[in-house]
Amino acid sequence: GIQVEQSPPDLILQEGANSTLRCNFSDSVNNLQWFHQNPWGQLINLFYIPSGTKQNGRLSATTVATERYSLLYISSSQTTDSGVYFCAADSLTGGGADGLTFGKGTHLIIQP
Amino acid sequence: DAGITQSPRHKVTETGTPVTLRCHQTENHRYMYWYRQDPGHGLRLIHYSYGVKDTDKGEVSDGYSVSRSKTEDFLLTLESATSSQTSVYFCAIRETGLGEQYFGPGTRLTVT
Repeated sequence: GIQVEQSPPDLILQEGANSTLRCNFSDSVNNLQWFHQNPWGQLINLFYIPSGTKQNGRLSATTVATERYSLLYISSSQTTDSGVYFCAADSLTGGGADGLTFGKGTHLIIQP
Repeated sequence: DAGITQSPRHKVTETGTPVTLRCHQTENHRYMYWYRQDPGHGLRLIHYSYGVKDTDKGEVSDGYSVSRSKTEDFLLTLESATSSQTSVYFCAIRETGLGEQYFGPGTRLTVT
């Protein structure tokens, strides 16, 4: 099956800093999503982005499908951005119905 | 927010007892999924359903069974719970085989 790797595993930043999180995947994707898991455990959808670039406020994401990677950008970090960020994908050859494969996540801590 | 509820939200049970977790959706989506989340592993797919009475196994299906008798409900059963099944369980839905998945709030299960 598809492999999904995220980097860095941990990131500690001061409030106001910018950050880039990376997701590499091993196969052509049907679906690629970024999630934020907040300290209460809730999984929040950030982006559905199998290709191209999207922006939502201080967050943006880019997926370069031909090179099999995706980037999540967080600008002007706030303490509420703390948590774990997951990238998840499913393989184009798998048809999409059989669920997402998750990376192990990037644990982000924003210090005031 | 997608209309997904999980019950119970927390459960403590003893080794060897049967346990059933429920996922309920109000979106009338065809596809439903069960994942488990463990430290160091991210989320991993247990079982999924692509329609009423249509289910299939995921990456970590051993020790679990599922049933879907109505579009809105997807049940996960641990026939005889073991300590290795202590985890946080998430349900997800997707409208079609392509497209974005949405996650429920999770169920924290502890097997003593």
